[in-house]
Amino acid sequence: DAEITQSPRHKITETGRQVTLACHQTWNHNNMFWYRQDLGHGLRLIHYSYGVHDTNKGEVSDGYSVSRSNTEDLPLTLESAASSQTSVYFCASSDLGLANGNTGELFFGEGSRLTVL
Amino acid sequence: DAKTTQPPSMDCAEGRAANLPCNHSTISGNEYVYWYRQIHSQGPQYIIHGLKNNETNEMASLIITEDRKSSTLILPHATLRDTAVYYCIVVSSNTGKLIFGQGTTLQVKP
Repeated sequence: DAEITQSPRHKITETGRQVTLACHQTWNHNNMFWYRQDLGHGLRLIHYSYGVHDTNKGEVSDGYSVSRSNTEDLPLTLESAASSQTSVYFCASSDLGLANGNTGELFFGEGSRLTVL
Repeated sequence: DAKTTQPPSMDCAEGRAANLPCNHSTISGNEYVYWYRQIHSQGPQYIIHGLKNNETNEMASLIITEDRKSSTLILPHATLRDTAVYYCIVVSSNTGKLIFGQGTTLQVKP
């Protein structure tokens, strides 16, 4: 079955270190998204991509970067981790547009819990 | 992207219908209404979406007012497993980008 996987599921790092969270989907979806969710809050969009070599900033992109070298993967990099980036990170993917009976549904990964000490 | 307004929390008795309201008064013509829910700390799960007609699937029904400025998600027979945070989101058919609000925490009680 097609799926979307995130790794690592849990990570503890120190302030100032570079961290990369992986996201891999096997649906061949064009759209991929990264969200963060802090305790007691909704999800906030960090970066998103509509296809290979396409990346866009979301609501809270400062301190984060993404690259899209193939359809399946959208890794999220924290160049210099800060304590304010302690959060749960969700990756999601969807098909392109709402044509051909697509629901435009976002499929979410299980989340990556990052702690920055 | 149009913003949505939802009550922060609601209770519902098990077995009864849960009606979750959402206001989206600035929605534009090419924007869809989507509903997702998030159970505990899992990734959000798609429930249903619609443009202007009422929609029904195996999980829920979506009622959109004629002026499209508000909608209601209906869970016809709520169970304890429906306890979750429910998000109403307006999505452009061009971007497919979801901007989440705070959602409604639905507590289904025995």
